[in-house]
Amino acid sequence: QVQLVESGGGVVQPGRSLRLSCAASGIIFSSYGIYWVRQAPGKGLEWVAAMSYDGSNKHYADSVKGRFIISRDNSKNTLYLQMNSLRAEDTAVYYCAAEPGGGDYYFDHWGQGTLVTVSS
Amino acid sequence: DIQMTQSPSSLSASVGDRVTITCRASQSISVYLNWYQQKPGKAPNLLIYAASSLQSGVPSRFSGSGSGTDFTLTISSLQPEDFATYYCQQSFSTSRAFGQGTKVEIK
Repeated sequence: QVQLVESGGGVVQPGRSLRLSCAASGIIFSSYGIYWVRQAPGKGLEWVAAMSYDGSNKHYADSVKGRFIISRDNSKNTLYLQMNSLRAEDTAVYYCAAEPGGGDYYFDHWGQGTLVTVSS
Repeated sequence: DIQMTQSPSSLSASVGDRVTITCRASQSISVYLNWYQQKPGKAPNLLIYAASSLQSGVPSRFSGSGSGTDFTLTISSLQPEDFATYYCQQSFSTSRAFGQGTKVEIK
């Protein structure tokens, strides 16, 4: 059974940092591209960051570029999102999502999400 | 960046109705278009990938069509469990941008 489990969310003050984790099981993690997608309260889905299966390519949404850093440890089947200089508008549920690649470009596995609240 | 626009933003329908949601890309994305269903408090769930391919386990009342810039998700006979929000997503570029969502509500 495939599982993606996010952790690390919580309440943080503006300007502070937080690191999210996404632990994967039941898939060959090292063959999947992994993405972070967020959803602000009552809003739609927003792609945040992406990392290729081997970590060689990283991409960020303009809204987080220069503040967020995506990384992965394939030996631990874990994806990370280091979030720095947090702003109120970063408040959202953060999901990790897995993309098989190899010509299959869709998110067939999602985590349950972790809530990040940026507030003083 | 590629922008995705869905219409309508919301709709009211009855059980048994045929429902159509459209999605338009700001540039051609070939068939790199996916559809997801999201229910309140839950993660999105993949319904359709590559514009028209049905994900395993998804009921056949869901179908997708289109190519280039214009795409459609159709639910042939709406069921009670289909009341949810639907999102399109392009996978042509790395941004994997989503449409703004279409909320399907009970009439």
